[in-house]
Amino acid sequence: EAQLVESGGGLVQPGGSLRVSCAATGFSFSGYAMSWVRQAPGKGLEWVSGISGTGGRTYYADSVRGRFTISRDNSKNTLDLQMSSLRGDDTAIYFCAKDQYSGGLRYFDLWGRGTLVIVSS
Amino acid sequence: DIVMTQSPDSLAVSLGERATINCKSGQSVLYSSTNKNYIAWYQQKPGQPPKLLISWASTRESGVPERFSGSGSGTDFTLTISSLQAEDVAVYYCQQYYSNSLTFGGGTKVEIK
Repeated sequence: EAQLVESGGGLVQPGGSLRVSCAATGFSFSGYAMSWVRQAPGKGLEWVSGISGTGGRTYYADSVRGRFTISRDNSKNTLDLQMSSLRGDDTAIYFCAKDQYSGGLRYFDLWGRGTLVIVSS
Repeated sequence: DIVMTQSPDSLAVSLGERATINCKSGQSVLYSSTNKNYIAWYQQKPGQPPKLLISWASTRESGVPERFSGSGSGTDFTLTISSLQAEDVAVYYCQQYYSNSLTFGGGTKVEIK
């Protein structure tokens, strides 16, 4: 059964850094693009960043470009999001999501349960 | 970025009745070379991640009940639940993938009247 499991969330001070990860099992990880989608408490979904199946192309929302870095290790079937210069409005559940496509970003047919990141002093 | 606007924000429908959710994109998401609309719909129940219901504006995912249908083209799209069941209580989101800067609608909360 295909599955995504996020880890690494927690409490971090404003201006700090945090790395969240996603472990993928049950499908050919390198064959699909992956993304991070976040959801602030009680709010809607916001796409954050995506990466192609090979890792050769990365994409970012304007709200995180220059602060967040997405990466993947296809030998370990893992997806990471390195977050820096964190702000209060980055507080959210961060979901790892599998794309239906390899070369670019489309829609998500598998989601993890998410990891909570809280930015607060 | 392509702005996705959903309406209404919430709606209450009696069991067995029809629920209709609208989604409007800030520009056309119909790709002329493929003649496909780059729209997906998701269902999110409390405490759960989103679940993909429909892709390409009207293609139902495997296992999704037939009471869920998607329609529309260009900039205006609709998700219809033909006969609301108790298990359909959730928030529904549209998403465009015409642009690689993906965007979601604000969500529509569906409740039982």
